[in-house]
Amino acid sequence: DGGITQSPKYLFRKEGQNVTLSCEQNLNHDAMYWYRQDPGQGLRLIYYSQIVNDFQKGDIAEGYSVSREKKESFPLTVTSAQKNPTAFYLCASSIDRDNEQFFGPGTRLTVL
Amino acid sequence: SQKIEQNSEALNIQEGKTATLTCNYTNYSPAYLQWYRQDPGRGPVFLLLIRENEKEKRKERLKVTFDTTLKQSLFHITASQPADSATYLCALRGAGGFKTIFGAGTRLFVKA
Repeated sequence: DGGITQSPKYLFRKEGQNVTLSCEQNLNHDAMYWYRQDPGQGLRLIYYSQIVNDFQKGDIAEGYSVSREKKESFPLTVTSAQKNPTAFYLCASSIDRDNEQFFGPGTRLTVL
Repeated sequence: SQKIEQNSEALNIQEGKTATLTCNYTNYSPAYLQWYRQDPGRGPVFLLLIRENEKEKRKERLKVTFDTTLKQSLFHITASQPADSATYLCALRGAGGFKTIFGAGTRLFVKA
């Protein structure tokens, strides 16, 4: 089955720790995205990648980092510099930037 | 600044009726507008895309209108069913650029 997967589903982090959220897609999509969703707010773009080895900052990139070494994979690292990391994180992909996005199931990160 | 507004109050309707959700935007000239469905704790699922030169688009029981003069889109679900209960997100993207802006969504409850 083609799709986009995220792991883990739930993640707990102690303050001061870096954590990495996984995102994999087998849809052969060029574009991939990371969003953060907080209650009562729309999805906010963290990072965007249009092609392998290229990525751009979104609106709230501070405290986050990404890599795009393979077309299928776009991991997100939440660093200790992110002051309020508790949120629902969504990864998405699209054929290109002009088409609809396919979302993964999300990772809920909680800082203890 | 660019802004998308969706009714933050939940919409409650009776099964079989038509649900109408509104998306208004300001300070933006979108090339196209999308609607997504999101169930609790899950990633959004794409429903429909309408371009700036299109007035209306239909898919099964779904209909979307796009009025660039009023800066508004209406999303209709006809013959609604309890299974349509979810949060519906409006999303806009401008020509060029890579960023899609999402609204906070409207929660729909369809009562049997």
